Amino acid sequence: EADIYQTPRYLVIGTGKKITLECSQTMGHDKMYWYQQDPGMELHLIHYSYGVNSTEKGDLSSESTVSRIRTEHFPLTLESARPSHTSQYLCASSLTGGSSYEQYFGPGTRLTVT
Amino acid sequence: DAKTTQPNSMESNEEEPVHLPCNHSTISGTDYIHWYRQLPSQGPEYVIHGLTSNVNNRMASLAIAEDRKSSTLILHRATLRDAAVYYCILSAYNQGGKLIFGQGTELSVKP
Repeated sequence: EADIYQTPRYLVIGTGKKITLECSQTMGHDKMYWYQQDPGMELHLIHYSYGVNSTEKGDLSSESTVSRIRTEHFPLTLESARPSHTSQYLCASSLTGGSSYEQYFGPGTRLTVT
Repeated sequence: DAKTTQPNSMESNEEEPVHLPCNHSTISGTDYIHWYRQLPSQGPEYVIHGLTSNVNNRMASLAIAEDRKSSTLILHRATLRDAAVYYCILSAYNQGGKLIFGQGTELSVKP
């Protein structure tokens, strides 16, 4: 079973608020990822990190930002939430080495901006 | 990134085998074939991966065509818990583990 956690699981917040979605993993994985998924749609990679102090933007442009100060922690921040940010956000991690690059996913945070 | 093509949906009966196809005609020599699935209201989970040879694990089997332009995920005995969206993804070894998800195949399993 994957040891990757996301909090909160559900968040309803008003427009203009600053929010941080938490993601932590206890597997010692060096790589971490954030995906965005609208209902019934495919996942889009929005951020990834190859290790501490490493962050890159993914294939889908996002107004969110991320940081990687500790190996186990990869929070995502929205400085000013808007209704267009309403979506599910999924965090994942993987370990360098081997061929699989198997990614372990958290349960997701479902964000609603009113 | 190399693209994959999967049927939007498939149906299966419980306890019967399921063959989920995936076409990847533009696959390159360094692309691995990964399969993930996403159960309702959950994050995706890894199912299986392969490069050239067929692969088996406790969850499923992966059959890869000789020219590698297509592959098939095989669930040997479908259960109701296998109802999910199944994603076929190509990822090159030198891409650092990035996965590009497509639409996937929504599998429904009838009792």
